[in-house]
Order: sequence, then C-alpha cells, then structure tokens
Amino acid sequence: QSALTQPASVSGSPGQSITISCSGTRSDVGSYDLVSWYQQHPGKAPKLMVYDVSRRPSGISDRFSGSKSGNTASLTISGLQADDEADYYCGSYAGSSSFYAFGTGTRVTVL
Amino acid sequence: EVQLLESGGGLIQPGGSLRLSCAASGFTFSNYAMSWVRQAPGKGLEWVSSIGLSGSNMFYADSVKGRFTISRDNPKNTLFLQMYSLRAEDTAVYFCAKPITVAGRSGFDYWGQGTLVTVSS
Repeated sequence: QSALTQPASVSGSPGQSITISCSGTRSDVGSYDLVSWYQQHPGKAPKLMVYDVSRRPSGISDRFSGSKSGNTASLTISGLQADDEADYYCGSYAGSSSFYAFGTGTRVTVL
Repeated sequence: EVQLLESGGGLIQPGGSLRLSCAASGFTFSNYAMSWVRQAPGKGLEWVSSIGLSGSNMFYADSVKGRFTISRDNPKNTLFLQMYSLRAEDTAVYFCAKPITVAGRSGFDYWGQGTLVTVSS
C-alpha cells in the first residue's frame, strides 16, 4: 500500500487557475473512477471537494473541478481565492485488498 | 445534521491498548460502510481501516493489520477501533469518516473532529 504522489506545493495569484496532480498506479487511480479530493485548513477536519473523479458534493463551488487520465488524476481550482489556501489531498479506491489510499498532500499558497 | 463524535484517545505507553469510539447521528448508520483515517502531527492523511454495512467485511492498512480491529454496533450507531500493541508511529489524530456513497469507495463527506492518540513512555 503506497501513498498516491502529489506535488508538495503549488501556488498562484488571486483569480488565477492552478492544477494539482495525483499520480497513482493501475491498482488504484488507473482502475477505478473513484478518485476524491479533500481540502484541509490547519487544525480542521478534511472537507470533500470532489468525488468519483469529477462530481462535486452539494455546496461545493464549481471553481473546483476534477479529471483523470490513465493513472493520474487532477484537481483544478479556478478563480483562486484567499480562502483556497490550504492543504489538498487526493484519495482513491484501491481494490478489495488495499481498499483506499490517500495522496501525499499538496500545500496551496495564494500569493 | 450528520454528526460524528470520536472519543477514547489519550496518552498510552508503547505496547499498550486503546479503544476508540465514534458515535454517529443524523443519518442511517447501518446503511453506510464506515472508516477510520489518521493524521500524524504535521503529516498527511492515512487510511487506517474500513468496515462494511453488517460488520462482516473489514479492511486494514498494512501498517495496522494484525494489531487493530474495527467493529460496529448498528443498533447503537457506533463505530469502534480497538488498537493493540501500540507503537510510537501510531501517534496521530484519528478521524471517523462517513462515505458519500453507501459502499464507501467514493470518498468521505463527513468527518468527526478527531481524537488524539499519543503513544509515548
């Protein structure tokens, strides 16, 4: 069971768009359209932003969008805002043996 | 309103045991697989364990397999994590998490506030 790979940090200016990648394998990201993305502010519980690759839970802004190609998933945040500054984690179903895996996490900084 | 309230964390010596509980409310608990996720201080999220609707299917991360046991009491809407042979590397905030879909594979839309487990002599 290995963590999915994310860049340690991504930054952008207010109003810009940024994309966070999440690299997995054929055993997890590549085999299932069950990738999710979480936002976590310091000292808070994670918040689900995207699930099933590109679906947004109720109440989540459409500035957050997800996609997947092969073994790599991506989260794009458009119209970057100050409150988007947080840690972001991807997650994926990994089959009946490993069940679930999280990414290594990406710190998003709004310049 | 969905609520998940963890309890049972604390300071425990290496090799010790601890039982975490998660009291759920605001949804039909027995209709959802449930999970535990942990986060070591200053580190990322780590999936720990998941349990199916009836409690007959359990899944564990390799790092805790053979030492942790997940269980649930559906009539009491409560999720448990029994932890044995605790190690320093088990030190973390432990979150109870509800999946957005009943099968539990699509991601977690509700999380508890977390309970801190510190393993230290």
